[in-house]
Amino acid sequence: NAGVTQTPKFRVLKTGQSMTLLCAQDMNHEYMYWYRQDPGMGLRLIHYSVGEGTTAKGEVPDGYNVSRLKKQNFLLGLESAAPSQTSVYFCASIPQVPSYGYTFGSGTRLTVV
Amino acid sequence: GNSVTQMEGPVTLSEEAFLTINCTYTATGYPSLFWYVQYPGEGLQLLLKATKADDKGSNKGFEATYRKETTSFHLEKGSVQVSDSAVYFCALNNYAGSARQLTFGSGTQLTVLP
Repeated sequence: NAGVTQTPKFRVLKTGQSMTLLCAQDMNHEYMYWYRQDPGMGLRLIHYSVGEGTTAKGEVPDGYNVSRLKKQNFLLGLESAAPSQTSVYFCASIPQVPSYGYTFGSGTRLTVV
Repeated sequence: GNSVTQMEGPVTLSEEAFLTINCTYTATGYPSLFWYVQYPGEGLQLLLKATKADDKGSNKGFEATYRKETTSFHLEKGSVQVSDSAVYFCALNNYAGSARQLTFGSGTQLTVLP
């Protein structure tokens, strides 16, 4: 089925470990986003990309890096995980022409101990 | 900058009760407004939207009207069902700048009891 796929769905990390979250979309969307969801705070934008090879910082970028080497994939990296990065991470995408409906992935639940 | 303020939850209702979840916003220009729903263990799904003042978005019995004079976009449903139990997010996008990102409210947890 067409949509946004996130892997992994769950992960537990120790403080200081690194990992990469993968977001893949098969809708040929230009724009892709990484959000984090924390209780009582809604979703906050970490990084985004307006096209292949581009990335930009969002509201809460510290401690994360991203890459968009292929149009369909948007990777979120944690170089040295911290307990404050325990959260649920969502990827989303929209096409070039302004689209009012973002497509979201099902999320990655990350726990850093 | 943009911001969205939602009614704090959690909200617990009995089946067939009337639902209102308040949402107000601050934004420059003329934003588009959205309600997203998140069912347990799932991602966010678009529930309804409105793109200009006085527009009414509707879907699955839910409605919300874009009120520019009060900067509000309250979500309503006349008769809730147990299956409506979820977290509801109000959001806006005024497509300012290159990011086109959504700005979300903090979410309202709704539980409907049989």
